[in-house]
Amino acid sequence: KNEVEQSPQNLTAQEGEFITINCSYSVGISALHWLQQHPGGGIVSLFMLSSGKKKHGRLIATINIQEKHSSLHITASHPRDSAVYICAVYSPGNQFYFGTGTSLTVIP
Amino acid sequence: SAVISQKPSRDICQRGTSLTIQCQVDSQVTMMFWYRQQPGQSLTLIATANQGSEATYESGFVIDKFPISRPNLTFSTLTVSNMSPEDSSIYLCSVERDGYEQYFGPGTRLTVT
Repeated sequence: KNEVEQSPQNLTAQEGEFITINCSYSVGISALHWLQQHPGGGIVSLFMLSSGKKKHGRLIATINIQEKHSSLHITASHPRDSAVYICAVYSPGNQFYFGTGTSLTVIP
Repeated sequence: SAVISQKPSRDICQRGTSLTIQCQVDSQVTMMFWYRQQPGQSLTLIATANQGSEATYESGFVIDKFPISRPNLTFSTLTVSNMSPEDSSIYLCSVERDGYEQYFGPGTRLTVT
């Protein structure tokens, strides 16, 4: 079993839909990252969370430390949001654990 | 924030040869990381490179295959040695700043034929 599990693995949405990607983890946590990887391979860090909720534009990330769960929400999705979204947990042992990613395709 | 560049951005190499990937950061950082992302897979940490000391390798990765240099606080190289088609991957460097914030380079897409 992976230390970080993401769901769904693949997601296709119509433009404008509200999207949720889930991340559950089993390790201790210092911080949780949501990463975005575009088809070219480059990775951008969207959020770093250790508690609560963060919002940036149409993106919202939440974390529930007690339930060891985080969600990434995209409101009013757009084709340019099509990418792989990766959940990564940074543990107190200074180790990163990565989810396998959620491949999102937004159709115009 | 941190701006990271990698060279080359992509390469096609012959089996048995070696490739050195460079990672340059626009500011001094203590910890630099090298990752591999095999096709269809998520990121796997290869090693952590701190300036002035030998790199720390993760299980499954060895210095002879992936030698790393860290000559100063803004630069690191990763060499993929004696390549085989299984080494075809995206190789990324990242740095840690501002607490646990991670910044990633654009990646090097390696194809071994």
